[in-house]
Amino acid sequence: SQQGEEDPQALSIQEGENATMNCSYKTSINNLQWYRQNSGRGLVHLILIRSNEREKHSGRLRVTLDTSKKSSSLLITASRAADTASYFCATSSISGYALNFGKGTSLLVTP
Amino acid sequence: NAGVTQTPKFRVLKTGQSMTLLCAQDMNHEYMYWYRQDPGMGLRLIHYSVGEGTTAKGEVPDGYNVSRLKKQNFLLGLESAAPSQTSVYFCASSFSTLNTGELFFGEGSRLTVL
Repeated sequence: SQQGEEDPQALSIQEGENATMNCSYKTSINNLQWYRQNSGRGLVHLILIRSNEREKHSGRLRVTLDTSKKSSSLLITASRAADTASYFCATSSISGYALNFGKGTSLLVTP
Repeated sequence: NAGVTQTPKFRVLKTGQSMTLLCAQDMNHEYMYWYRQDPGMGLRLIHYSVGEGTTAKGEVPDGYNVSRLKKQNFLLGLESAAPSQTSVYFCASSFSTLNTGELFFGEGSRLTVL
């Protein structure tokens, strides 16, 4: 069953603004990962945060994880038009054999 | 490196026809996966493989079969296609278990069943 649930489903901002997407999940996880999907393309891995980590940075990306609330957030700072894409969170169970994906947040960044 | 390659990219089938989607990876990854993506549903796992000669069911395995005869290839078969199998299919691979690694995705195969 799908584990993660992203919020909001769609987000529209202007270039230069920050974009924040949230992900909630239901059961214990080993790690949580964020992926990006450009229209008509495959998913691309952005960042992985382990269950014992609270925050992680990668370039303009900042991910937080709150295991007590079973939630994560992805912040994209100083958004660019090229950031327009769908963003998915995915959780890895204790067995680690597969990822369960959420339904995604569609981000539109307008110039 | 080509990464993960899926063929074909597009296919139209009639109900009841059969077909096979091929996934090939050149990264020497142990783990391979087939997902389907439907509007509003996100990605759902169909089958996966943790090594050559092994396969396992995912969340939505009914109507599909898979084979992993070679480490680099993972085939997804539809024996008797149904309109409900109209979807975009993604193959992915990973080097190790997902406790430590990430998934590498192909570009997708868009299947329409009439």
